[in-house]
Amino acid sequence: GDSVTQMEGPVTLSEEAFLTINCTYTATGYPSLFWYVQYPGEGLQLLLKATKADDKGSNKGFEATYRKETTSFHLEKGSVQVSDSAVYFCARANTGNQFYFGTGTSLTVIP
Amino acid sequence: DAGVIQSPRHEVTEMGQEVTLRCKPISGHNSLFWYRQTMMRGLELLIYFNNNVPIDDSGMPEDRFSAKMPNASFSTLKIQPSEPRDSAVYFCASSLSSGANVLTFGAGSRLTVL
Repeated sequence: GDSVTQMEGPVTLSEEAFLTINCTYTATGYPSLFWYVQYPGEGLQLLLKATKADDKGSNKGFEATYRKETTSFHLEKGSVQVSDSAVYFCARANTGNQFYFGTGTSLTVIP
Repeated sequence: DAGVIQSPRHEVTEMGQEVTLRCKPISGHNSLFWYRQTMMRGLELLIYFNNNVPIDDSGMPEDRFSAKMPNASFSTLKIQPSEPRDSAVYFCASSLSSGANVLTFGAGSRLTVL
């Protein structure tokens, strides 16, 4: 069935380090792909999205490219900040508007 | 727009009591979702509605849980009777059922059942 698998955490990085959080999806149909971020005590917020193959979503220095050949949508940021500490969720949505979320990856950035 | 509005933000109750969580979706959104988040199980989809009609309730844990959407601007999730294992953060989210399908979440209702 439809699913999303993302890298398990927690991830701890020093400020200005490079971040990669891996995400792969099952290749059923032509889903839209998303990264959501959840800051402590808050709901999930959309970080970025891509709706078709080879699209690159970007926001706040984060990027992810929709790779159909590897069914992946890895999240990257070149230089993380303490304020990026949060839980990151990869998600896919099919044409029926049903969302499937990964288990979330907790990121802690230390000064 | 004020976003997705949930109430209450926090609720503490005793086992056996009825709990009602409320959600007001973004105006114009025609899909509404209820999720539950716990440390052990992560984010779980409980039920979702399209145009006020329940489409998939396979995630509802058991008969103690029920959800309604009497109109396009209001939904409730009810737990009766509540149990300690229901303690979690419950999120409501809404979206348009066409287009790029961005899901907008509320701030959540944190439920503690003693």
